[in-house]
Amino acid sequence: GESVGLHLPTLSVQEGDNSIINCAYSNSASDYFIWYKQESGKGPQFIIDIRSNMDKRQGQRVTVLLNKTVKHLSLQIAATQPGDSAVYFCAEKAGGGSNYKLTFGKGTLLTVNP
Amino acid sequence: DTEVTQTPKHLVMGMTNKKSLKCEQHMGHRAMYWYKQKAKKPPELMFVYSYEKLSINESVPSRFSPECPNSSLLNLHLHALQPEDSALYLCASSVLAGVKYEQFFGPGTRLTVL
Repeated sequence: GESVGLHLPTLSVQEGDNSIINCAYSNSASDYFIWYKQESGKGPQFIIDIRSNMDKRQGQRVTVLLNKTVKHLSLQIAATQPGDSAVYFCAEKAGGGSNYKLTFGKGTLLTVNP
Repeated sequence: DTEVTQTPKHLVMGMTNKKSLKCEQHMGHRAMYWYKQKAKKPPELMFVYSYEKLSINESVPSRFSPECPNSSLLNLHLHALQPEDSALYLCASSVLAGVKYEQFFGPGTRLTVL
């Protein structure tokens, strides 16, 4: 199940289950979002992105859903594997041109139990 | 080459030391970034360089001094740091044209200030 600790929400799933990681963003004007995966001791790694003119985008085993009405983003991972264990961050783009920046959400620690 | 490299991997320094972190990419990206990441927290943007010029400084203390000698290299000079500056320092790069805003991250430098 999912729990929210003092610092980092956690989600624990069984191998083979589907995982859903949620993210609330703050800026209703944000027009682009990214999900990153960060394994222990590594930098964040791009998973999938979505523009605000889309509700859903699918990749390999991953789907991102965007609900602009409630400013909510979710990442669905199908058939979760032990290698999916990591911290997952959503990021929203602010600004445009060469002065844009990404603001990262709190992150969720996904643990996959074999 | 789709990699961002960072050196050193680990750094321990005293509060009176001067040290530098280095970042390199050969993807032709014209934007480069420094982030600071504390344990169990998301990356926080420090600086953005666009076309080798500083475009964003997120009110970072002057004891951190960035430098972009050319389009492939980014340095972060450190002087008179405090123990609370201990963190993972991440470098990233991205293109500045097109519709994707993916930032490619390096593995980070783990900094400990004694």
